[in-house]
Amino acid sequence: AQTVTQSQPEMSVQEAETVTLSCTYDTSESDYYLFWYKQPPSRQMILVIRQEAYKQQNATENRFSVNFQKAAKSFSLKISDSQLGDAAMYFCAYRRARNAGGTSYGKLTFGQGTILTVHP
Amino acid sequence: GAGVSQSPRYKVTKRGQDVALRCDPISGHVSLYWYRQALGQGPEFLTYFNYEAQQDKSGLPNDRFSAERPEGSISTLTIQRTEQRDSAMYRCASSLQVRDTIRDSPLHFGNGTRLTVT
Repeated sequence: AQTVTQSQPEMSVQEAETVTLSCTYDTSESDYYLFWYKQPPSRQMILVIRQEAYKQQNATENRFSVNFQKAAKSFSLKISDSQLGDAAMYFCAYRRARNAGGTSYGKLTFGQGTILTVHP
Repeated sequence: GAGVSQSPRYKVTKRGQDVALRCDPISGHVSLYWYRQALGQGPEFLTYFNYEAQQDKSGLPNDRFSAERPEGSISTLTIQRTEQRDSAMYRCASSLQVRDTIRDSPLHFGNGTRLTVT
């Protein structure tokens, strides 16, 4: 079974600074996806960024980027130029690329989450 | 609507009562998922459907929990004889799944139903 671990229950950062959230995972699969989701107090679940395991290049979305280390099974999220609106709970998640039948399989395994506080 | 819609937004029920939680996915989305999220934790998979067929119910905690999607669109998650430990946020998600493709089909989550069992 796959597991996802976020070892930082809480993190804080000053506005305009950079912060990195850690995530490790365990899997025997070679083809999979990794995600970071943001959950603000509004209860939405917002996809921040995703990484395909077969791609060596780290994904980037504006101020958000990842450091994907496949051999180490590590997938950290870097937030640059932090803004007050970045304050939220962040979840790392794993998904197999496909099941044995060849169809896409959307079951996600989530980590425990990291609460990010942004100080003005 | 533009997003995944869940109702009710909040549900308070007494222990022993049955509850039904509704999910209306994005129009045209083939796959529908149910997750449960305890306070301060990440969501945990419960079950999922492709069209009206329930493909995987391995995450349902016991036989008090059931789900259906009879016409391949709206889904209902039913909890019978509720217990206090069932209190959680129940989230629904949908995705536009394309068979036999390597293209990722991202999940779109609803804002959840917060269930409190007293």
